[in-house]
Order: sequence, then structure tokens, then C-alpha cells
Amino acid sequence: GDSVTQMEGPVTLSEEAFLTINCTYTATGYPSLFWYVQYPGEGLQLLLKATKADDKGSNKGFEATYRKETTSFHLEKGSVQVSDSAVYFCALSRIQGAQKLVFGQGTRLTINP
Amino acid sequence: GAVVSQHPSWVICKSGTSVKIECRSLDFQATTMFWYRQFPKQSLMLMATSNEGSKATYEQGVEKDKFLINHASLTLSTLTVTSAHPEDSSFYICSARDGTGFAYGYTFGSGTRLTVV
Repeated sequence: GDSVTQMEGPVTLSEEAFLTINCTYTATGYPSLFWYVQYPGEGLQLLLKATKADDKGSNKGFEATYRKETTSFHLEKGSVQVSDSAVYFCALSRIQGAQKLVFGQGTRLTINP
Repeated sequence: GAVVSQHPSWVICKSGTSVKIECRSLDFQATTMFWYRQFPKQSLMLMATSNEGSKATYEQGVEKDKFLINHASLTLSTLTVTSAHPEDSSFYICSARDGTGFAYGYTFGSGTRLTVV
């Protein structure tokens, strides 16, 4: 079945550092890929998404490119801020069929000033 | 954008009582809603998929008699934890699928922290 694997956390960086959170998936065909962010005690917020190969999703300085050849959707940001501290989830879903989101295990990110 | 309202945000109940959590889509119709459970510092575990006007589809290992899901309208799904026990204490999050075609997405509620004492 479909699955998502994220790099293990927690990840701790200094402000203005470069961020990469790796995400790879296992699925047949062309699922849609998502990154969600969760702040403490809250639900999830969509950060960005991509629906087909080579698509690049971007939002708030974060970017991720749908790489079919490596089945990856790595999250990057050039200069992180303290306010980016949160848990980040990579996920996939399909337009048809079960339509449910399949999540990775989440990566906790802490940015120190 | 799409908004999903989840209530209550937190609840404390006595062991053996039942608790109802509501999930409403405020500005769109949600044919399909999802209920998740999240343990501290862990990912979301899908409990069930709720389809308007039909029975929910539960994931393997989730007790359907304990976690009652009702999706009676296109804007409201409810999760009732029956005869709650301390081990049911958790963070519950609902989500609704919005949009069509490649423009679809998922909007999440803010979550409900349930504590059973």
C-alpha cells in the first residue's frame, strides 16, 4: 500500500540556517503530495502541495518539488526563522479511490535565535 | 479559503461517560470527512472516513461501537466517544476534503484534546 517516510527528527537549527526535511513515498501511479505544518496544540495547516511530476509547491519561503524518478518531495527553506518552529508532516493522497491522506511520521523542527 | 470548525477544543470527562466532538465545514460542503487520533509527539492515526448519508468506514483496529461517527449533513460530522476510559485520552482532529479535480485539498479542524479522569 501507499506509504510516506520522513527524515527522523527532531531537527534543531539556528535562525537563518538552510532547512531540508527529506520525504520519500511509495505509491503506484501519480499521487498528490502535500506538506502540512502543525503548531503546538493546533490542527494541521496546509503548507504547500504538488499534484504532478516536476511540479514545485511553494509558500512562505518553503519549497518542495515532486520528483517522480526518486519518489521524493523534500521540503526546503533558504533561511529559517524562530516562528518556523513546528512539526512538519509530509503526506500523499489520490484523487480517486480511498481519497484519504497518508502521513509520514512528522519531523519536529526547532529554530534557535 | 475553506474553514473547518471543530468543537470543543478541549474537554475533561469522567470515566464511563460519553463525549461528542463536532466538526463543521463552514464555507463548503464536505461529502467526505476524516477523523484522526494523535498521541503526543506522534503522527496522525486515521480512525475512520465519514461519508455524508452513509456509514463510516473504520480503519482496522478501531472499535466502531466505541467511536461512533455520524455524518448526517454535508457540513457536519460528529465523533462520539462512548463509555470513555483514561486510555481514550488523546488529541482528536477532523479533516474535510474540499475542492474537485486536481484542485482538491484537505482542511483540518483545530483539534480536540480529550482527557478522561
